[in-house]
Amino acid sequence: NAGVTQTPKFRVLKTGQSMTLLCAQDMNHEYMYWYRQDPGMGLRLIHYSVGEGTTAKGEVPDGYNVSRLKKQNFLLGLESAAPSQTSVYFCASSHTPGTSGRHYNEQFFGPGTRLTVL
Amino acid sequence: AQSVAQPEDQVNVAEGNPLTVKCTYSVSGNPYLFWYVQYPNRGLQFLLKYITGDNLVKGSYGFEAEFNKSQTSFHLKKPSALVSDSALYFCAVRDKLTGGGNKLTFGTGTQLKVEL
Repeated sequence: NAGVTQTPKFRVLKTGQSMTLLCAQDMNHEYMYWYRQDPGMGLRLIHYSVGEGTTAKGEVPDGYNVSRLKKQNFLLGLESAAPSQTSVYFCASSHTPGTSGRHYNEQFFGPGTRLTVL
Repeated sequence: AQSVAQPEDQVNVAEGNPLTVKCTYSVSGNPYLFWYVQYPNRGLQFLLKYITGDNLVKGSYGFEAEFNKSQTSFHLKKPSALVSDSALYFCAVRDKLTGGGNKLTFGTGTQLKVEL
């Protein structure tokens, strides 16, 4: 199993450009999440999805959109990139809460995408 | 809202010595607490979690964590540090989302440096 994968690994954008980050998981998880990591701030939740076709806002959703057309994929879009969106973006997935098993509360993370907006 | 605090930005320890990375929490109700590790240019990896039960939780790579309800702490420990343990460590607490699922609220991270 590949687990959680993210593409691309690195990207440099100019202010105002758009792009889409792709997250894929092969663990049949219902729940998927997008976080951003900034120095000294830990990870903050951008958007999340509790199942195919559903998305919801997290702590810092402004400037981002998401889609979950397929259960295994969760896309994060930046319509008009701004320097404040320079960050490392992590995707994560988890089993449905309440599912029996030792890992049911655990989130699995992808390797991250390092985005720089000039 | 649930929160965790990691009071130390960096911890330095000599190889072979015991290590402790501190975490305190603030929650309403029973806490679900986690430790994750991040190696350079990598994603976060799960180390261990506390849900209920024994206050001493054992996890991956020889790490363990002690849950202390009276001190609202969940410190990460290892009896004998290795240079390869050098990494960024995050404490996190699970918070439920209105729409279902879990949100992890992370601390700001503690950089562990193990030296020869």
